[in-house]
Amino acid sequence: EPEVTQTPSHQVTQMGQEVILRCVPISNHLYFYWYRQILGQKVEFLVSFYNNEISEKSEIFDDQFSVERPDGSNFTLKIRSTKLEDSAMYFCASSEDGEKLFFGSGTQLSVL
Amino acid sequence: QQQVKQSPQSLIVQKGGISIINCAYENTAFDYFPWYQQFPGKGPALLIAIRPDVSEKKEGRFTISFNKSAKQFSLHIMDSQPGDSATYFCAASRYGNNRLAFGKGNQVVVIP
Repeated sequence: EPEVTQTPSHQVTQMGQEVILRCVPISNHLYFYWYRQILGQKVEFLVSFYNNEISEKSEIFDDQFSVERPDGSNFTLKIRSTKLEDSAMYFCASSEDGEKLFFGSGTQLSVL
Repeated sequence: QQQVKQSPQSLIVQKGGISIINCAYENTAFDYFPWYQQFPGKGPALLIAIRPDVSEKKEGRFTISFNKSAKQFSLHIMDSQPGDSATYFCAASRYGNNRLAFGKGNQVVVIP
């Protein structure tokens, strides 16, 4: 069964450093998303991406965040200068129809 | 702003019993209501979803009941099995807008 793949599964970084979280969406999907879950809290929407541009972003997705689809298979989330409060599990998701979302297993980001 | 609220926080059910998880939403513009199931170390997986034009939807042992006037919907897991032990998230969005608002999640434990 096709699945969304995320790498790395764990990422530890120092505050102020840049991180790139990588995702390979399901191959025929057109809609791509990033969500995050801070420990003990709910899953929160960050950004949606369609047709090579951001279609919607949340208040969390400020200028420190960016997304890119550098080639036909990868979808990345970059955090330019990480803060302690960026520590969370980051989930990538993709969808064929913009409705049913398929999530990856997540990248646990720890900012020290 | 808590757009989607789940209850109870956790649930312990005997094998063969019925697990019931409730969800309440605030935004009357929501018209797509999915439930996601998450196992440890995995991302959320779509379990079942409903739109407000029906009051109930059943898929195998899983049923969603929807009450539009009360702005509530619930997940019923019939004949609960130990393999159903997981965290269950309700979510809501406006149809065509993939910005899912998630509840906090319910941990369901099914004991043999």
